Amino acid sequence: DAGVTQSPTHLIKTRGQQVTLRCSPKSGHDTVSWYQQALGQGPQFIFQYYEEEERQRGNFPDRFSGHQFPNYSSELNVNALLLGDSALYLCASSSQDSGNSPLHFGNGTRLTVT
Amino acid sequence: AQSVSQHNHHVILSEAASLELGCNYSYGGTVNLFWYVQYPGQHLQLLLKYFSGDPLVKGIKGFEAEFIKSKFSFNLRKPSVQWSDTAEYFCAVVDAGNNRKLIWGLGTSLAVNP
Repeated sequence: DAGVTQSPTHLIKTRGQQVTLRCSPKSGHDTVSWYQQALGQGPQFIFQYYEEEERQRGNFPDRFSGHQFPNYSSELNVNALLLGDSALYLCASSSQDSGNSPLHFGNGTRLTVT
Repeated sequence: AQSVSQHNHHVILSEAASLELGCNYSYGGTVNLFWYVQYPGQHLQLLLKYFSGDPLVKGIKGFEAEFIKSKFSFNLRKPSVQWSDTAEYFCAVVDAGNNRKLIWGLGTSLAVNP
């Protein structure tokens, strides 16, 4: 059991469309990070949310946006999809109170853009 | 900028062979270091981590890693691998003062033949 749940597990979209991915953190965690993992690559940091605010952002365009809700769950939105956005999108949660706590990952959402 | 380099992209071993996966990072400050494993079809799981103290850290499933600060390395080792160790292994580093953005290596695919 990952503890972190993501939905949907798979998604197929067309270029130019918009997509929303969802994440529920592990119980007791208040911080959510999103990563993009292209095939054969390591995860790339997209952004992190804490207290409903984006705290840090990786090198991703503004087409990638997010949101965190009062219950700590989070959404990742991608607008104007490109073929290159096809990847596994990972959500990870952690706890600020635990200091440098390691991330707990969900199973990811596999996005295919055609 | 921080970066992580994993030396071996694909490793094939026979059961009972010893394993060492190389990981070097580039960062001038204090870091926290991690090894994650991704078994086929499963989510990323933490194998072990180094924050401070004894540079030889032991993780789950008989894995260990040694932090050598002078070499900026955090190599993963296991004395005797099993078929069930077949997985993708990722080294990751984060600024110890800014536990927000994990930087990942490209990963090493390990195949253990029975």
